[in-house]
Amino acid sequence: AQKVTQAQTEISVVEKEDVTLDCVYETRDTTYYLFWYKQPPSGELVFLIRRNSFDEQNEISGRYSWNFQKSTSSFNFTITASQVVDSAVYFCALSGLNSGGYQKVTFGTGTKLQVIP
Amino acid sequence: KAGVTQTPRYLIKTRGQQVTLSCSPISGHRSVSWYQQTPGQGLQFLFEYFSETQRNKGNFPGRFSGRQFSNSRSEMNVSTLELGDSALYLCASSPTSGGGNEQFFGPGTRLTVL
Repeated sequence: AQKVTQAQTEISVVEKEDVTLDCVYETRDTTYYLFWYKQPPSGELVFLIRRNSFDEQNEISGRYSWNFQKSTSSFNFTITASQVVDSAVYFCALSGLNSGGYQKVTFGTGTKLQVIP
Repeated sequence: KAGVTQTPRYLIKTRGQQVTLSCSPISGHRSVSWYQQTPGQGLQFLFEYFSETQRNKGNFPGRFSGRQFSNSRSEMNVSTLELGDSALYLCASSPTSGGGNEQFFGPGTRLTVL
């Protein structure tokens, strides 16, 4: 069975602070993918990043960075110098395969980030 | 390319009624997944369709069903609505059904059951 845990329900930071969103996952698959999605107040989820289980390189994209550690089954997301536009709900997701060999995606419960000006 | 579209955007129904929601994926995408989003349960997977076949199904009662047409458009149906079915229903498309595909989400249909 797959499981994704986002223990932080809500986080508030003051603009320009750095913030890290935690994601811990469980899976028995040896090949799997991890994702982060952003859901702004408008409601539409937006894809941010994908990592596969064989690529533990950290990634940086502008103010966003991701730290993937298989040893701790974590895929944490850091926003540097946060901005008000970063206010949203962020979801971590895990994609594995079901018994039929087809993709099965499990989402975490999300972390609501509020950036205060 | 146009994004994922969902109709209607808002629906109000009463208990016991049934409802059909529609999703048009991005052109060329053959996989469509449905999710239910509620404040208490978060995003829960309903089912995925690929090439008109259901590939995967979440833990929802049989009142929830879906189908996919030859043009990849998908519908989901909820029969005998209950108050707890009030939620945002999200549709997501991806090019294939293989693992690792990013999903492109629609704006959702907000269903309210009275």
